[in-house]
Amino acid sequence: AQRVTQPEKLLSVFKGAPVELKCNYSYSGSPELFWYVQYSRQRLQLLLRHISRESIKGFTADLNKGETSFHLKKPFAQEEDSAMYYCALRGNNAGNMLTFGGGTRLMVKP
Amino acid sequence: DAGVTQSPTHLIKTRGQHVTLRCSPISGHKSVSWYQQVLGQGPQFIFQYYEKEERGRGNFPDRFSARQFPNYSSELNVNALLLGDSALYLCASSHNPGRANTEAFFGQGTRLTVV
Repeated sequence: AQRVTQPEKLLSVFKGAPVELKCNYSYSGSPELFWYVQYSRQRLQLLLRHISRESIKGFTADLNKGETSFHLKKPFAQEEDSAMYYCALRGNNAGNMLTFGGGTRLMVKP
Repeated sequence: DAGVTQSPTHLIKTRGQHVTLRCSPISGHKSVSWYQQVLGQGPQFIFQYYEKEERGRGNFPDRFSARQFPNYSSELNVNALLLGDSALYLCASSHNPGRANTEAFFGQGTRLTVV
């Protein structure tokens, strides 16, 4: 079975502070990991994926297979980063479904 | 391109009724997936269709069914509605879900309220 855990429901930081949104996963094979973001009144959209090893809007995430984690980080939070963030896993099963964590609401205060 | 479109945007149904939700994928996408998002939780996988065939099914009762049409649009049907079916139903489309690094694009969702 595959599972994604985001331990924090809410993360509140001040503008300019570092941010780390935690994500831990459980999967027996080699998964693909993603971070999705949902800004207020907008649809769920892909932020970044571990395969690409890219930085999007200043966010990065490194897949740590030993700790089965895929934490999302940004050195200096901006107010426009306030949103719901979902970590997701896709295994190599037939359905290739996405398994989402419960989400973390990031609030960046001025 | 309007992206993934879902209809209706909001819906109120009574317990025991059935409902049909619709989804049009991005042009060129052949795969559609359905997710249920209960308030305060992450999306939960219901079905995936690719080239009009079911490729995956989540842990949902048989009251939930879906299909994909030749134009790759899709319908999600829920029979004998329960209060617990109240949720945001999301549709996502992609090119080929079997390929690594395939991105899923989500619609705005249909908010279903069962009273």
